[in-house]
Amino acid sequence: EAGVTQFPSHSVIEKGQTVTLRCDPISGHDNLYWYRRVMGKEIKFLLHFVKESKQDESGMPNNRFLAERTGGTYSTLKVQPAELEDSGVYFCASSQDRGGEKLFFGSGTQLSVL
Amino acid sequence: GENVGLHLPTLSVQEGDNSIINCAYSNSASDYFIWYKQESGKGPQFIIDIRSNMDKRQGQRVTVLLNKTVKHLSLQIAATQPGDSAVYFCAESYFGNEKLTFGTGTRLTIIP
Repeated sequence: EAGVTQFPSHSVIEKGQTVTLRCDPISGHDNLYWYRRVMGKEIKFLLHFVKESKQDESGMPNNRFLAERTGGTYSTLKVQPAELEDSGVYFCASSQDRGGEKLFFGSGTQLSVL
Repeated sequence: GENVGLHLPTLSVQEGDNSIINCAYSNSASDYFIWYKQESGKGPQFIIDIRSNMDKRQGQRVTVLLNKTVKHLSLQIAATQPGDSAVYFCAESYFGNEKLTFGTGTRLTIIP
């Protein structure tokens, strides 16, 4: 069974540019989460999808971040325009059950904004 | 605000010895706790979890202890191996809350 896959694994962009991160959850997992880890700090929740619906987007830092999950399969996270403080590792996770249990994480996308 | 934190950012242990990684949390409503292991270039990997109605749970070479009185969580790894070298995160949540709150992580290094 394939795990959670994320693309790209690394992205280096300049301030002001746009970047789109993609996440393919484990097949059959309705719950999809985005988290990020800014350098040296804790992993923080961004948002949670149940199928194609945003269940909780309380962790999204500002309106420069847009997440979508059309059709309830893969998800994208777009940052437009990117700022220096957006640098970090963006993780996607999926689960079959709700409640934050048994999350399977992808390897993350390392985003560097210069 | 509520936060989950770790006492030590780094820990070095001789191969074969036991290691203990600690975590403090401040949300008394938390009722579910998880330990994750993150190896270089990979995402967090589930190790073991525990609910608040328990104070100890054992897995293969790992034991999680929960002390709700002092809001403390620990991960014990027995007979450490080189493959145990990684960053370990504790995380917590509570019923009805879908999101996990993570600590900053402890880097465990196993010395051969």
